[in-house]
Formats: sequence, C-alpha cells, structure tokens
Amino acid sequence: GENVEQHPSTLSVQEGDSAVIKCTYSDSASNYFPWYKQELGKRPQLIIDIRSNVGEKKDQRIAVTLNKTAKHFSLHITETQPEDSAVYFCAAILYNKGGKLIFGQGTELSVKP
Amino acid sequence: KAGVTQTPRYLIKTRGQQVTLSCSPISGHRSVSWYQQTPGQGLQFLFEYFSETQRNKGNFPGRFSGRQFSNSRSEMNVSTLELGDSALYLCASSPGVAGQETQYFGPGTRLLVL
Repeated sequence: GENVEQHPSTLSVQEGDSAVIKCTYSDSASNYFPWYKQELGKRPQLIIDIRSNVGEKKDQRIAVTLNKTAKHFSLHITETQPEDSAVYFCAAILYNKGGKLIFGQGTELSVKP
Repeated sequence: KAGVTQTPRYLIKTRGQQVTLSCSPISGHRSVSWYQQTPGQGLQFLFEYFSETQRNKGNFPGRFSGRQFSNSRSEMNVSTLELGDSALYLCASSPGVAGQETQYFGPGTRLLVL
C-alpha cells in the first residue's frame, strides 16, 4: 500500500500456535483500521476492524490492537486452525491522501496441521 | 440483501483495446471503490465514487477512468490496454464514504491482456 506497511509478507505457523501481523501507517489523523481475509480465489472479507477511540478489540480467536502514538496496529489470531490459512490485508483511512482507504501489501498465512 | 456483483467475471483482451467493467453495489450503498489486485502489488486503490461524484483517485494513469450512475452502479474503463493491466479488478461498496462504514467486496473481474 501507499503509506500502509504490512509485515511479514509470509507467515507459517503450526496449528494451535498464535499468529501476529503488524501494520504501520503514516497519517496521524487516521481513525479507521479494518482487516480483511482473502482465501484463494475468493473476495476479501472483513474479519475485524477498529476505530481510534479504542485500543483493542476482540472477536473470539481474533483480536486487533492499536497504538496511535506509534501509528501501528496488529492482528492477533490465537489457536490457529488450517482454515485460517489465507492472505490477510490491513488497511487504514488516510486523510492526508484525501480520505482514501489504503491497503497493506498482504500477509500470506499458512497454518500447518 | 444481495451482495456486490461484478460483470464480466473473466475477460481476455489484446493490447491497445479498451475494456469496461461493471459493478453493482449492495442495495442502499452509495459508495463504490475500485481496486486493482496483482500478485506483487496487493490491493491498489483506483478510485472511489460517492453519489455519482468521484471522491478520490489513486495513482493510476489517465487511461483508467470510471463513473457512477444514479442507481449507484459503477463502471470503470481502461483504454489502450497494456500487458501490465492484467489483474483482478475488485470493487467494494459501502453505505457511506469509505472509511466511515464497512466496505464489502465483489468477486472481481479477472482481466488478461495478451
């Protein structure tokens, strides 16, 4: 993405382990940070999002944390399962780019049984 | 509600031709954004339309253009196709402007330029 950096680009974990994907953004005014999951051959689907008025949000095995001071946010997946294997994209609304929703480059997560 | 739909799903063109892709948003959604997805570049923002007006534009050449109709359906056009335009083109719709509400993606149109 333009000003959204995502790491790592690939991640391989054993089933049951945790996975963490990190993103940084450039615009301190950004206030919306969604995460999308894209399975092979399918469309991206929103899995969780966070707004800047909260620091953490959880939904079952998925959580997102936001550090506005450092301008980074992370996706945490606990107790990973093979069906979690997919490409994950973070995104941020960049007001210094006219209010565009800019995506990170994606992380290919592989969960090995 | 029906999801976001895109037509056609697959397209093969040759260099120099032009192409028009269509996106029908979820009923009631007023914003449509377009993205180009390639293996090495991820999801690159093309443009966003809201209530028939282009609200934002990405860093793509003028060969890429779009429009939105009064029923919120959107089209994007690529003129003078180049080999590098081969990609999956995704559109996404949301009730309000992108970033204020969740975007829902369509299945994409896979364009191959020979």
